Amino acid sequence: SAVISQKPSRDICQRGTSLTIQCQVDSQVTMMFWYRQQPGQSLTLIATANQGSEATYESGFVIDKFPISRPNLTFSTLTVSNMSPEDSSIYLCSVERDTSYGYTFGSGTRLTVV
Amino acid sequence: GENVEQHPSTLSVQEGDSAVIKCTYSDSASNYFPWYKQELGKRPQLIIDIRSNVGEKKDQRIAVTLNKTAKHFSLHITETQPEDSAVYFCAAFRGGYQKVTFGIGTKLQVIP
Repeated sequence: SAVISQKPSRDICQRGTSLTIQCQVDSQVTMMFWYRQQPGQSLTLIATANQGSEATYESGFVIDKFPISRPNLTFSTLTVSNMSPEDSSIYLCSVERDTSYGYTFGSGTRLTVV
Repeated sequence: GENVEQHPSTLSVQEGDSAVIKCTYSDSASNYFPWYKQELGKRPQLIIDIRSNVGEKKDQRIAVTLNKTAKHFSLHITETQPEDSAVYFCAAFRGGYQKVTFGIGTKLQVIP
């Protein structure tokens, strides 16, 4: 299955600043997904990123707050903009599995906003 | 939209005992049901999955059952070991990646 490199693995950021998270896959994938996992909570889909088109955002998430880039079939970035302490979460990128449904997840970015 | 309910939220079992985690879903169009294991500080990893045309699937100590009529599916872990301690998430997929909903998670603790 695909190997995903996600960075940074963790960061502590000041409120009001922005952080860009990178996700690199070792194979070409059509869809990449960005999830948020708040402390002790489940996984919530932020958006789906397809190469060559605008990302599709889920209810409650907007492009101004979470801009996403998908320049090619192996790479995507998620930016968390104008951060507040409520943005403190783990952010995970994921891709479709090679041979079936389901996800392969990146290692995650643990973000703390102070 | 889809609603996936998972219970229990926490589960403690003695090493060697069995553990069962249950999920119910609301959208009859959901057709793929994976289970993910997330150890502390690590990424969720797929441990077993089942499609809507199958009633049961086993992989060594892990099994998943699906009741389409009742819209529920369960994870069964037999002969539990301390390394099974983790948070387990169920999920329901509809139409491939058209709609994916995760359960709230179950924190399993296996007591040596």
